This record gives sequence, C-alpha cells and structure tokens, in this order.
Amino acid sequence: GDSVTQMEGPVTLSEEAFLTINCTYTATGYPSLFWYVQYPGEGLQLLLKATKADDKGSNKGFEATYRKETTSFHLEKGSVQVSDSAVYFCALRRWDTGRRALTFGSGTRLQVQP
Amino acid sequence: EADIYQTPRYLVIGTGKKITLECSQTMGHDKMYWYQQDPGMELHLIHYSYGVNSTEKGDLSSESTVSRIRTEHFPLTLESARPSHTSQYLCASSESGSGPSNYGYTFGSGTRLTVV
Repeated sequence: GDSVTQMEGPVTLSEEAFLTINCTYTATGYPSLFWYVQYPGEGLQLLLKATKADDKGSNKGFEATYRKETTSFHLEKGSVQVSDSAVYFCALRRWDTGRRALTFGSGTRLQVQP
Repeated sequence: EADIYQTPRYLVIGTGKKITLECSQTMGHDKMYWYQQDPGMELHLIHYSYGVNSTEKGDLSSESTVSRIRTEHFPLTLESARPSHTSQYLCASSESGSGPSNYGYTFGSGTRLTVV
C-alpha cells in the first residue's frame, strides 16, 4: 500500500539556519504530494504542493521538489525563524484509486531557537 | 478565515457519556474526513464520506460512528466514551474531481477530547 516516511524529530535549529526535512514515499501511479504544517493547538494547514515529477512547490520561503526518480519530496527553507516552529507533515494523494484519501507521514517537529 | 468549523475545541467528559463532535464546512466540498491524532502526532484516518448518505470506515478501527445527512455537516458520535478515546480529532474536507488532485484538504482546528 501507499506510505510516506519522514525523518524523525525533533529538529532543533537556531534562527536563520538552513532547514531540510526529508520525505520519501511509496506509491504506484502518479500521486500528488503535499506538505502540511501544524502550529501548536491548531489543525493542519496546507503549506505547499506538487502534482507531477519535477514540479516545485513553494510558499512562505519553503520549497519542495517532486523527485520521481528518488521518490522524494524534501522540504527546505533557507533561513528559518522562531515562528516556523511547528510540526510538518508530508503527505501523498492518489487520484487513480477509489478512495483518494491523503496518506500522511508521521510528522516532524521543528523547534527554532532565537 | 476558517471555512471548516469544529466544535467544541476542547471537551472533558466522564466515562460512559455519549458525545458528538461537530464538523461543518461552507465550501460545498463533497468529500469529508475524520482523523484521529495521537500524542505522538501521527494521523489516522477513521472515517470518510464522499457525499450525502455515503460513509466509510478508515484505516484505523474506531468505535465512533459518523453520519452525512447534509453536504456541509459531518458529525462524529461516541455512544459511550472511554479513557482510551482521549485524543485530538481533526475534520477535513476536499474538492471532488476525477483527475489528478491539485488540492489537498482543508482542515478544521480540531477537537481535543479528554475522557476521565
């Protein structure tokens, strides 16, 4: 079945450091890929998305590129801020199956220190 | 501005009580979902619906039940709450479409349930 694997956290960085959160997936066909962010006490918010190979999703300084050859969708940001502290979820969604529900990774907690 | 609303945000209730968690969306989405989020953050799909009068069980077995009588409303009910039901419950909705989905889900803010 479909699955998403994320690097374990917590990831602790100093402000202005470079961020990478690894995400790899297993799925047949051509899934759409997403990154969601969850701030403390809140639901999940869509951060960025990509629907086909080599697409780059970007938002709020975050980027991720859909790499079909390595089945990866790593999240990056050049300079993190304290306000980026949150839990980040990688997810995939297939449209060629009846259910089309999102499959989530286990989440990676990011802590940014001033 | 939230387009999907969950109430209550927090609920503390005694064992054996019946509870209903409310979820409503104003976007006209056909698809709606309930996820249970454990303390380790992992999300588990427990119910989903593709439209009115359509409900299915998700990946994680749950003692809860759902109904979908109106497009905008997808409540979750526990007939007899137990401490093992303590968790965060997240509701989500998404657009319909038969092709590759550009869109993910829109999530509500969640209900944090504590059963004592």
